[in-house]
Amino acid sequence: AQKITQTQPGMFVQEKEAVTLDCTYDTSDPSYGLFWYKQPSSGEMIFLIYQGSYDQQNATEGRYSLNFQKARKSANLVISASQLGDSAMYFCAMRETSGYALNFGKGTSLLVTP
Amino acid sequence: GAVVSQHPSWVICKSGTSVKIECRSLDFQATTMFWYRQFPKQSLMLMATSNEGSKATYEQGVEKDKFLINHASLTLSTLTVTSAHPEDSSFYICSAKEAYSSYNEQFFGPGTRLTVL
Repeated sequence: AQKITQTQPGMFVQEKEAVTLDCTYDTSDPSYGLFWYKQPSSGEMIFLIYQGSYDQQNATEGRYSLNFQKARKSANLVISASQLGDSAMYFCAMRETSGYALNFGKGTSLLVTP
Repeated sequence: GAVVSQHPSWVICKSGTSVKIECRSLDFQATTMFWYRQFPKQSLMLMATSNEGSKATYEQGVEKDKFLINHASLTLSTLTVTSAHPEDSSFYICSAKEAYSSYNEQFFGPGTRLTVL
């Protein structure tokens, strides 16, 4: 069964606008971690932000913030003030306590337009 | 931040040959490394977990005799695709978790693009 669901295959946003990329997850593990990665066309995976299941506050890293709604099992990524360089694939991933490997969603392709 | 390198960054080989891909943690020790495979326009799928000094743990559906993993030191894991065929053409990415660290981030290598003719 799919553990990470990203329902938006593609998104458009205008430069300087904010955009939200959706991610829902499924786990019965009380302790887990949620990650967002950016993958530009070069293929490298760039770590953006992390949220632990026990973290009380939503994670923020510069222009990235994670809207963590535990009861809804959602961990949406918010990118504020989009830049052209933000155009890339974005993957949501989860780590459960059974190991350190990550389960990835199918990704969302974000295109930032001038 | 911690750096993970992969070599080669791309490789083209003939069907039936074997290809070795190296994953190195450059400035930290990694007791655990992970190998992922990514087909075009798809997500990363975990192939195996590589633990230093022990046998790798393969995910269901991944042939351990075809994808040989060796993690002989705390800074190096290798993936050998034996008798490669065109369907093995993919983007292979490794990641590493720093040993003795409770920090949650995994550090990814830049990936290796394999094309089997």
